[in-house]
Amino acid sequence: QKEVEQDPGPLSVPEGAIVSLNCTYSNSAFQYFMWYRQYSRKGPELLMYTYSSGNKEDGRFTAQVDKSSKYISLFIRDSQPSDSATYLCAIGANNLFFGTGTRLTVIP
Amino acid sequence: GAVVSQHPSRVICKSGTSVKIECRSLDFQATTMFWYRQFPKKSLMLMATSNEGSKATYEQGVEKDKFLINHASLTLSTLTVTSAHPEDSSFYICSAGVGTSTDTQYFGPGTRLTVL
Repeated sequence: QKEVEQDPGPLSVPEGAIVSLNCTYSNSAFQYFMWYRQYSRKGPELLMYTYSSGNKEDGRFTAQVDKSSKYISLFIRDSQPSDSATYLCAIGANNLFFGTGTRLTVIP
Repeated sequence: GAVVSQHPSRVICKSGTSVKIECRSLDFQATTMFWYRQFPKKSLMLMATSNEGSKATYEQGVEKDKFLINHASLTLSTLTVTSAHPEDSSFYICSAGVGTSTDTQYFGPGTRLTVL
């Protein structure tokens, strides 16, 4: 079983929609939960970073961690065409395990 | 499927020595491998893109002679940090893709380098 699983998509939504991106993980010892956004030919940009269960909000982005279910989510409200990118989750402790990324397209 | 490994996972070395990090795609052939560097709680910085059998393409500001990249086969790429200094201490991550784009890539678990 891979340490982190992420649905690769692709995911297409109309502008203004709420987007839900998800990852599951296998190791209950993991304590860092991150979401990255990556545009083509660029390095992944850190969007959200959290240690604990619960919700963390930053503007239109909300990261949710459920340690009991080993499940994390990233919600994007009022999605914009500029949100079109690949979103990666990364989870770990001493090392970081990345999901494969979900390619999101927001259609104007 | 699509597993990428890195070796070693952690290395501590003395200043002035060279360190080689291996990135392997275990169950698929990777035409392209990407090398990233991450500072604590920061985004990943793309260092270079390597294609099997050809020279790596380095991003602006990355020293080619400092960070030597070799992509000898479709399953192996190596990053050698030459004459390492404490400022090279970082988390180095590789990813492997089946195309030339970063759209679909599979990340390794990273190598934490500490230079004393």
